[in-house]
Amino acid sequence: GAVVSQHPSRVICKSGTSVKIECRSLDFQATTMFWYRQFPKQSLMLMATSNEGSKATYEQGVEKDKFLINHASLTLSTLTVTSAHPEDSSFYICSARTGISNQPQHFGDGTRLSIL
Amino acid sequence: DAKTTQPNSMESNEEEPVHLPCNHSTISGTDYIHWYRQLPSQGPEYVIHGLTSNVNNRMASLAIAEDRKSSTLILHRATLRDAAVYYCILRDVQGQGAQKLVFGQGTRLTINP
Repeated sequence: GAVVSQHPSRVICKSGTSVKIECRSLDFQATTMFWYRQFPKQSLMLMATSNEGSKATYEQGVEKDKFLINHASLTLSTLTVTSAHPEDSSFYICSARTGISNQPQHFGDGTRLSIL
Repeated sequence: DAKTTQPNSMESNEEEPVHLPCNHSTISGTDYIHWYRQLPSQGPEYVIHGLTSNVNNRMASLAIAEDRKSSTLILHRATLRDAAVYYCILRDVQGQGAQKLVFGQGTRLTINP
């Protein structure tokens, strides 16, 4: 089945550090990739949608200068949390789908980010 | 995005069938009904989706009401590994919203041994 790989699975770093998270579709071409954030005991919150080669579309309330998204190829998207602070600590999950209408989205296993 | 309503939690016993309900009274004609589940500390996993007819796959069955205002995910024989949060999501295949899956609170399913 379709596989989405997310790396790293866990990051612990100091406040002020920028952190990059990678999301790769291993066996399909991901025309569209999505980034979600999930706080403990809450549901997933969509942060942004990115199409390969285009600028990401951010959801309302998500700072695009804080969460930089790059989707330079059909198999790779990156999320960079710039100058991270403790309130940015969360579970970040990427997802990808092909360009075929109504195909399921496939999710990575998430990155747990802890900012000290 | 059209909204769905699910019970916060449900409990069942191992090896018994489980019926997870979802109400979506404002569903539009182009909304597909998707189900995903999320195990602890993992990303969501696709379960099944459908439009009007009932659907079956190796994981589950999806029963869709004739008026499409509700649906039920059926796990035929629950195992401990089915304990997860189950999300019922409507996804419109047309327009700007066509690409997004917007998650609600889902149903936390507990399976008793």
